[in-house]
Amino acid sequence: GAVVSQHPSRVICKSGTSVKIECRSLDFQATTMFWYRQFPKQSLMLMATSNEGSKATYEQGVEKDKFLINHASLTLSTLTVTSAHPEDSSFYICSASRAIGADTQYFGPGTRLTVL
Amino acid sequence: DAKTTQPNSMESNEEEPVHLPCNHSTISGTDYIHWYRQLPSQGPEYVIHGLTSNVNNRMASLAIAEDRKSSTLILHRATLRDAAVYYCILSPYNTDKLIFGTGTRLQVFP
Repeated sequence: GAVVSQHPSRVICKSGTSVKIECRSLDFQATTMFWYRQFPKQSLMLMATSNEGSKATYEQGVEKDKFLINHASLTLSTLTVTSAHPEDSSFYICSASRAIGADTQYFGPGTRLTVL
Repeated sequence: DAKTTQPNSMESNEEEPVHLPCNHSTISGTDYIHWYRQLPSQGPEYVIHGLTSNVNNRMASLAIAEDRKSSTLILHRATLRDAAVYYCILSPYNTDKLIFGTGTRLQVFP
């Protein structure tokens, strides 16, 4: 099956610092990658859609300058949370699809970010 | 985005069948019905999807109403590992975007 990994799985940082989260498709090339955020006991919220070699498309209300997304290759997308604050503490999850209109998205295991 | 409505929670006993309902009365003709589930502290996992006809795979069955305004995910024999939040999501055929609703939290008792 298709596997998506995320690194790190957990990160704790101080307020004001930036944190980078990597999302990799291990055994397939991902045309599109997605980034979600999930607060405790809530559903996943789509943050942005990332296509290799082009700028990410952000959902309404998501600050593109705060959540920097780079999709450098067909197997790697990164999310950088800049100048993190305690309210950015959340579970960040990426997913990848093989093609536009593909039947299935493959999700990573998530990254737990805690900002002190 | 077309909206889905699911019960907040359901319970089942182990080895019994589970029927998870989903209402999507505003579904359009090009919307696929997807089901994903999320175990605690993990990313979601694909379960099944369909358009008009009922679908079966190794994990579950998807029964779609004739008017497509509702669907039911069927787990034929629930196990403790099936305890998760199950999300019913509508997604147009020409997009990959998945907009998650609140889902149904399934508890399975031994």
